Amino acid sequence: AQSVAQPEDQVNVAEGNPLTVKCTYSVSGNPYLFWYVQYPNRGLQFLLKYITGDNLVKGSYGFEAEFNKSQTSFHLKKPSALVSDSALYFCAVRDRGRNSGAGSYQLTFGKGTKLSVIP
Amino acid sequence: SAVISQKPSRDICQRGTSLTIQCQVDSQVTMMFWYRQQPGQSLTLIATANQGSEATYESGFVIDKFPISRPNLTFSTLTVSNMSPEDSSIYLCTTSQGAIGQETQYFGPGTRLLVL
Repeated sequence: AQSVAQPEDQVNVAEGNPLTVKCTYSVSGNPYLFWYVQYPNRGLQFLLKYITGDNLVKGSYGFEAEFNKSQTSFHLKKPSALVSDSALYFCAVRDRGRNSGAGSYQLTFGKGTKLSVIP
Repeated sequence: SAVISQKPSRDICQRGTSLTIQCQVDSQVTMMFWYRQQPGQSLTLIATANQGSEATYESGFVIDKFPISRPNLTFSTLTVSNMSPEDSSIYLCTTSQGAIGQETQYFGPGTRLLVL
């Protein structure tokens, strides 16, 4: 079974400071990893993904994430936070080894981390 | 990425009734998925809907409660049947796009359902 842990329910950061939203995962094989953002009363927007290759992945709105296989982590980062970054962030994993059958495309999501950027 | 729209965007329903949610994609897609996000919770996959075949349901979800249609490559519906307050959730339609084995799921805006 695959799982995702986002250990922080909420992260507060001052505008202009760097931000980190933590994510660790568990899969039986190799992972596909994703970050999504949900603004209030909106659907989920795709930010970035790790499939293979460079461990540092760059995505939308200046966000990046670093895949660390030894620590089974995929933390989301941004060098300088904006007030408009305030939203709910979800990390998700899919087991790369499952390409058929029920649930093979299932994304398992973490419970989400609420990011508040303080002016 | 494909643009996904859902109708209705929100609804308030009485227990025991049913609601059908529509999902429209602006391009042809093979795979569509339906997720549920209960209040304060994460997302849970309900089922995978491929055009021309029966939907595949995840553990804990059954066709009688959540019947799904997929009549063509741009449209799907999810019905929430015989609703109870526990069905109050956001229901999200998604598509999977990209190279085989490297797909990304893109989400619609969601349908916010409140069951009284």
